[in-house]
Amino acid sequence: TQLLEQSPQFLSIQEGENLTVYCNSSSVFSSLQWYRQEPGEGPVLLVTVVTGGEVKKLKRLTFQFGDARKDSSLHITAAQPGDTGLYLCAGAPGGNFNKFYFGSGTKLNVKP
Amino acid sequence: ETGVTQTPRHLVMGMTNKKSLKCEQHLGHNAMYWYKQSAKKPLELMFVYSLEERVENNSVPSRFSPECPNSSHLFLHLHTLQPEDSALYLCASSQIRGGNQPQHFGDGTRLSIL
Repeated sequence: TQLLEQSPQFLSIQEGENLTVYCNSSSVFSSLQWYRQEPGEGPVLLVTVVTGGEVKKLKRLTFQFGDARKDSSLHITAAQPGDTGLYLCAGAPGGNFNKFYFGSGTKLNVKP
Repeated sequence: ETGVTQTPRHLVMGMTNKKSLKCEQHLGHNAMYWYKQSAKKPLELMFVYSLEERVENNSVPSRFSPECPNSSHLFLHLHTLQPEDSALYLCASSQIRGGNQPQHFGDGTRLSIL
């Protein structure tokens, strides 16, 4: 059973375009994280959101946690080739240790 | 440099071989994790160690055997693997402090089973 569904699975866009990636679940999470993974490397944390309705900005990236803490979105403005990579969301049900469930990822390709 | 180092980066082994994957973290964290990443599947959590004690074993076959001798080192011992075990194996570490702490990943070991 996959707890987190990411969409789209693949996205190929031109430099300068905007895009949104979605991460949805029927489960409630105490926090949700977004990672980016480049070929040959491990995932690197971009942001953690913990409060329902929370919006965080990281330069051209905007992250939102749903009010019910079941879903999240990542919006990239004016995408650049350097944004190319696999974007992963990961939700934590809560507890004393970090047990995260990962989505299957969105593979983004930004063409110059 | 992520602070989490995995060796080897690539490993090719036969189904009857025994090998070990190594992970070392230099971040002072007290929890370590093994994940399996296969094509077209989400990252699968395999094992979690918190304060050197195994707290999670996600129904992983016994041909995978983890070891955590101290808070900085984590091993995954492999024995009699199957072709479907070919994948990228990622190690991560984090601090245990009320949960929700970011995980820091190594760059993984790409494992191929012949």
